[in-house]
Amino acid sequence: KQEVTQIPAALSVPEGENLVLNCSFTDSAIYNLQWFRQDPGKGLTSLLLIQSSQREQTSGRLNASLDKSSGRSTLYIAASQPGDSATYLCAVKDEKLTFGTGTRLTIIP
Amino acid sequence: DTAVSQTPKYLVTQMGNDKSIKCEQNLGHDTMYWYKQDSKKFLKIMFSYNNKELIINETVPNRFSPKSPDKAHLNLHINSLELGDSAVYFCASSHGLAGPDTQYFGPGTRLTVL
Repeated sequence: KQEVTQIPAALSVPEGENLVLNCSFTDSAIYNLQWFRQDPGKGLTSLLLIQSSQREQTSGRLNASLDKSSGRSTLYIAASQPGDSATYLCAVKDEKLTFGTGTRLTIIP
Repeated sequence: DTAVSQTPKYLVTQMGNDKSIKCEQNLGHDTMYWYKQDSKKFLKIMFSYNNKELIINETVPNRFSPKSPDKAHLNLHINSLELGDSAVYFCASSHGLAGPDTQYFGPGTRLTVL
């Protein structure tokens, strides 16, 4: 059974700093890994999707990496802004999509 | 145009009632899903349908009955609502069930059972 864990559960950093969110999964037989953002009381916004054959994906200030063999992914956010404050979820796709526990990120102005 | 839409956005009801949540996608996808996000914000799949057929049922109580009248719609009917059913329910869709397809999520329906 696939299990997805995200560390830390919560993170607060001053505006402008770079930061890394971590995601680990137990079964490496995945099709892809996806990072989502969820604002309070809102739905899910897909940020980046990394296929199993890829090592990383970039979109603007976001960079996601995937090390399938070790069951790990990181989401790097450069030059953080208050608008980045949200909960970040990673999810791995095998026969279904399994979500991690989330990291609640707060950027302090 | 909204890709995956859900109605209603908020639903407040009494214990024991029966309620439905509707989901529609205009992406031409074959597969649709229902997820539940509990009070601890943990998201877990409940059902998936592919071409109107039930594929995944993650040990959800049989008080929950999904219905797919066509590929673009997957409604969730809940009988005899319980306090523990209070959660946010998300609908999603993708091209196919297996493989690397991205899932697109609706805005969620916040269900509160009193």
